[in-house]
Amino acid sequence: AQTVTQSQPEMSVQEAETVTLSCTYDTSESNYYLFWYKQPPSRQMILVIRQEAYKQQNATENRFSVNFQKAAKSFSLKISDSQLGDTAMYFCAFMKPPTELTFGKGTLLTVNP
Amino acid sequence: EAGVAQSPRYKIIEKRQSVAFWCNPISGHATLYWYQQILGQGPKLLIQFQNNGVVDDSQLPKDRFSAERLKGVDSTLKIQPAKLEDSAVYLCASSLVTGSKNPMFFGSGTQLSVL
Repeated sequence: AQTVTQSQPEMSVQEAETVTLSCTYDTSESNYYLFWYKQPPSRQMILVIRQEAYKQQNATENRFSVNFQKAAKSFSLKISDSQLGDTAMYFCAFMKPPTELTFGKGTLLTVNP
Repeated sequence: EAGVAQSPRYKIIEKRQSVAFWCNPISGHATLYWYQQILGQGPKLLIQFQNNGVVDDSQLPKDRFSAERLKGVDSTLKIQPAKLEDSAVYLCASSLVTGSKNPMFFGSGTQLSVL
């Protein structure tokens, strides 16, 4: 079975600054996908970014980027130019194809004005 | 396009009562998932449907939980009888087809409190 660990229960950052959320995972699979989801107070899980394990290039989506270290089984999320709307719970998730999705416990990010 | 719709948004019941949650996935999405999210934890898969067939229900407590997806569109998740530990947010998600290349879209969930 896969496990996903998010070691930071809470983090805060000043508006316009950069913050990095940590995630590590444990698996014996060689083919898998990694995700970061955002869950605002509305409770809806919103996909932020996705990384295929077979790709060495780190995924980026506008202000969001990841640092994927496959050997270390690490998948951190960097948010640049933080905005107040980024305040939310962030979940790291591991997917064993085709759809077995395992979530971490989440990191509560607060962006301060 | 409309998102995944869930109702009710909140539900409070007493233990041993029954409750049902409803989910309407995005139009055309063949795969539907029910997740349970206990406070302070990430979501955990309860059941996955492909059209109206069950793909995975290995983590569904079948003695009290049941789910159906008639006609391969809407789905209902039922708990009978409810226990205190069932207090959680129940999230429904859908994707176009099964497969990790197809993103999963989530609804806003139903928050259940069992007293």
